[in-house]
Amino acid sequence: RKEVEQDPGPFNVPEGATVAFNCTYSNSASQSFFWYRQDCRKEPKLLMSVYSSGNEDGRFTAQLNRASQYISLLIRDSKLSDSATYLCVVNADSWGKLQFGAGTQVVVTP
Amino acid sequence: GAGVSQSPSNKVTEKGKDVELRCDPISGHTALYWYRQSLGQGLEFLIYFQGNSAPDKSGLPSDRFSAERTGGSVSTLTIQRTQQEDSAVYLCASSLETRGRVGYTFGSGTRLTVV
Repeated sequence: RKEVEQDPGPFNVPEGATVAFNCTYSNSASQSFFWYRQDCRKEPKLLMSVYSSGNEDGRFTAQLNRASQYISLLIRDSKLSDSATYLCVVNADSWGKLQFGAGTQVVVTP
Repeated sequence: GAGVSQSPSNKVTEKGKDVELRCDPISGHTALYWYRQSLGQGLEFLIYFQGNSAPDKSGLPSDRFSAERTGGSVSTLTIQRTQQEDSAVYLCASSLETRGRVGYTFGSGTRLTVV
């Protein structure tokens, strides 16, 4: 079983719609969670950290469910520029190593 | 510097040759990480350096791969006797905090092609 699993998609989303997707992680001791965004042939960039109480950053909302070991990302009012691969990231140890999921592709269409 | 700098941005090499990839982390960042990403695949952890502690080399795929970090700053990843399966984008990242509580900042990567 992979340590971080994501639905690869693609999620095809009309512009202006809402899209949400999850990722599951296997290490119950994980304490830090992030969503990264990766555009085609570019490096990953930090989108947002995920906090226990859930957090929002503009149109993006992240949630953490420790009991079921998943995190989620919701994008409201999707823009064409939101088209990207979204990487779920979980800390793999207490010394900073992060484990990356393979990514969920989102395609926003006009 | 303002960001993580990697060089070269692209490298084409012949099978069997050695290559050196360089990473210059953000000034003051104590943690440095190397990952690689093959076409259409996720990120594969290779090695990380944190402060003055021994590096975690658990992700290096073979003994042809090695890395060092001099003076707690610049790092070089060396691949000896390159093989075609080594073709990938090699990404370096750095982090200010060493316990995984903040995310990484990635460089733009070195695209390695072994022909």
